[in-house]
Amino acid sequence: EVQLLESGGGLVQPGGSLRLSCAASGFTFSSYAMTWVRRAPGKGLEWVSSIIAIGGVTYYADSVKGRFTISRDNSKNTLYLQMDILRAEDTAIYYCAKLPQGYYASGSYYFDYWGQGALVTVSS
Amino acid sequence: QSVLTQPPSVSGAPGQRVTISCTGSSSNIGAGYDVHWYQQLPGTAPKLLIYDNINRPSGVPDRFSGSKSGTSASLAITGLQAEDEADYYCQSYDISLSGSVFGGGTKLTVL
Repeated sequence: EVQLLESGGGLVQPGGSLRLSCAASGFTFSSYAMTWVRRAPGKGLEWVSSIIAIGGVTYYADSVKGRFTISRDNSKNTLYLQMDILRAEDTAIYYCAKLPQGYYASGSYYFDYWGQGALVTVSS
Repeated sequence: QSVLTQPPSVSGAPGQRVTISCTGSSSNIGAGYDVHWYQQLPGTAPKLLIYDNINRPSGVPDRFSGSKSGTSASLAITGLQAEDEADYYCQSYDISLSGSVFGGGTKLTVL
């Protein structure tokens, strides 16, 4: 059974940093691209970032480019999201999700399994 | 303002049929990119409902169906049930933004 478990959420001040982790199990983690999607309070889903299966090639939404860094450790079956220079508008539940293939390029790829999410609150 | 436009809410009585539209543009749906749909029940993670415009993952009832034409897509739900009450999101890819895009979401209320 595919399982994705996020951790690392919490309360942080504007301008601060936080690192989210997503522990994966139930599938061959190193074979699949992964993504982060967030949902701000009262708003809809927003794609944040994706990374290919072997790592090293990453993609970001304009709203987080230059501030967030996605990475993965395939030896630990774990996905990360390093969030720096956090803003109030970054307050959201952050979900990690799996893609059904190892790449994420110029195509419409869906997310077939999702974690339960980690709440990030940016406030002074 | 989401790149893909969905109605904020729809409603229907048990047993009825409802449709949720997802309108894009020539840089996403109209460019030929596939549309996917997710269901998010209150307090839970999103769940893949329809992928590649018309396909249902195993376990999703055939009461749910998807279609796509031009710059728009639709999700249809027949035989509405109380447990269908949730938020529904469409998703595609936008070549101008070079990334995945979601609709603003539609809240389905079963009367």
